[in-house]
Amino acid sequence: DAGVIQSPRHEVTEMGQEVTLRCKPISGHDYLFWYRQTMMRGLELLIYFNNNVPIDDSGMPEDRFSAKMPNASFSTLKIQPSEPRDSAVYFCASSFSLDRGYTGELFFGEGSRLTVL
Amino acid sequence: SQQGEEDPQALSIQEGENATMNCSYKTSINNLQWYRQNSGRGLVHLILIRSNEREKHSGRLRVTLDTSKKSSSLLITASRAADTASYFCATASRGYSTLTFGKGTMLLVSP
Repeated sequence: DAGVIQSPRHEVTEMGQEVTLRCKPISGHDYLFWYRQTMMRGLELLIYFNNNVPIDDSGMPEDRFSAKMPNASFSTLKIQPSEPRDSAVYFCASSFSLDRGYTGELFFGEGSRLTVL
Repeated sequence: SQQGEEDPQALSIQEGENATMNCSYKTSINNLQWYRQNSGRGLVHLILIRSNEREKHSGRLRVTLDTSKKSSSLLITASRAADTASYFCATASRGYSTLTFGKGTMLLVSP
């Protein structure tokens, strides 16, 4: 299994530009999570999906952030317009449904390191 | 806000020594998990302990859970330089499908 695949691994952009981060979850997983990691705030949950439906986006910092999951094998996190304070590592993770008795082990991608100048 | 808080924030030991990291949390949980993160990489699941379990082993890892004190510990025995990483505890609260992570303990194992 290829694991959770994220792209790009690194992105450097200028303030005001649109940024799109991509994620391919593990096949068969029905939960997908987007986390953001910074030194100051640690790992923060931004949004999560169940069966491609957004369940909780209360962690999305502002309207500049949006996420979609058009099908079971693809999700995007978009920032428009980007700001320097958005600089962080963004992780995508997937897991099986808890309703199937799975207790919520997350499988993480390698992350997308975003730098906004 | 973080549910779990790890202690210490950083730990430096020699190869062969044991490393103990602690995690405290605030609300009732369904399970508690430990993850490792190598520098520049994603998090990797290490071990999960359910709220009705008190101790669990996996290889050189031993995890304990004390729900009365809302705390857990991760013990790595006979540490190796390759164990150098950040270690995070994460809690799955009852009724929620998400994990809340602490800020982690940075472990440095010197040869």
